[in-house]
Amino acid sequence: GPKVLQIPSHQIIDMGQMVTLNCDPVSNHLYFYWYKQILGQQMEFLVNFYNGKVMEKSKLFKDQFSVERPDGSYFTLKIQPTALEDSAVYFCASSLEQASAETLYFGSGTRLTVL
Amino acid sequence: QQQVRQSPQSLTVWEGETAILNCSYEDSTFNYFPWYQQFPGEGPALLISIRSVSDKKEDGRFTIFFNKREKKLSLHITDSQPGDSATYFCAASAQGGSAKLIFGEGTKLTVSS
Repeated sequence: GPKVLQIPSHQIIDMGQMVTLNCDPVSNHLYFYWYKQILGQQMEFLVNFYNGKVMEKSKLFKDQFSVERPDGSYFTLKIQPTALEDSAVYFCASSLEQASAETLYFGSGTRLTVL
Repeated sequence: QQQVRQSPQSLTVWEGETAILNCSYEDSTFNYFPWYQQFPGEGPALLISIRSVSDKKEDGRFTIFFNKREKKLSLHITDSQPGDSATYFCAASAQGGSAKLIFGEGTKLTVSS
């Protein structure tokens, strides 16, 4: 089936540094999402993105966070500067239509460790 | 504030038994409830879903029972197989689709043979 690719699977960074998480969504998908999962807790919505704009974001999407997808390339989540509490697994997802979870596909996640 | 709750946190059943995973929610505007299956090292994958206009949805060995009045739903996995061992997430959406899913904490299912 369709695949959302997230590279790398694990990233370790020092607190205060910048990190960019990369997501290669399904090729014809139009809606993009980031979710955050702290170990042992539920996955939490961060942001969704469509047509070059943030459509909705949660309170977890701090000012230090930004997303973009320049010219159909990777959909990225940038955190600058990072904080210890940013350590989590970040899941990217994409869907063809906003109202169709049947076309929503998740990547396998990037585990971010902030030291 | 936990809007979607799941129980039990973990569940072990024998091969061939029926596993029952529970989910409850608070927000009455939720109208779409997908269940996701996640294996270690992978992202969650849609297993089965139900909309609030229905009280039951069946797909092979997987059935969702939905009680709108009590704001509860359950996932029944009949004839459980070792390959069903995974973490199952109940999720909810108020917009009928994928726009913003609220996830439960998950139930880790182990099927023993």
